[in-house]
Amino acid sequence: GENVEQHPSTLSVQEGDSAVIKCTYSDSASNYFPWYKQELGKGPQLIIDIRSNVGEKKDQRIAVTLNKTAKHFSLHITETQPEDSAVYFCAAGVSGGSYIPTFGRGTSLIVHP
Amino acid sequence: DAMVIQNPRYQVTQFGKPVTLSCSQTLNHNVMYWYQQKSSQAPKLLFHYYDKDFNNEADTPDNFQSRRPNTSFCFLDIRSPGLGDAAMYLCATSRDSSPGGHQPQHFGDGTRLSIL
Repeated sequence: GENVEQHPSTLSVQEGDSAVIKCTYSDSASNYFPWYKQELGKGPQLIIDIRSNVGEKKDQRIAVTLNKTAKHFSLHITETQPEDSAVYFCAAGVSGGSYIPTFGRGTSLIVHP
Repeated sequence: DAMVIQNPRYQVTQFGKPVTLSCSQTLNHNVMYWYQQKSSQAPKLLFHYYDKDFNNEADTPDNFQSRRPNTSFCFLDIRSPGLGDAAMYLCATSRDSSPGGHQPQHFGDGTRLSIL
């Protein structure tokens, strides 16, 4: 089955700095990679996703890059703000039918004002 | 507007006393999932429904059951809760897509279950 490793487990940055979270996956058949943000007491919310036929995707201050050969993908947040503080999860899996993603263990991002 | 709604948000039950958690969705998605999430951990899939077809994860304890009476509603039944079942329970939905398409999961805000 799929195995997803996520690093770092905790990331502390100053407001305005960039933050990068990295994930690796093991199953070369995985073709869909979402990123979720989970705030305290809430469910995970999708913030950005990428398919295997795309190398990079950007949405305002958030970007995701995918290296299929190396089987790793990363989340980049620029100009961080205190409201970006949350736990971020990456996931990987094979799209189609029931999508059953494997989640990384999560990264707690703390943005200091 | 909330699209995946879980009730209640907080549930307290006694050790061994059956409890039911509910989930409803307004997205008309055909796949519904139940996850268990403990503190500082990733969500762990318990089971999912593809339409009416129930799919149990191999390591989900028999103590956990589920019902999906229609597209919009799904229930998680814990027959005899133990202290180790205290957790956040998350419901999620997604829509089937053709192979190669992507289908993000939409999560509810969860029910936090406490066991006395």
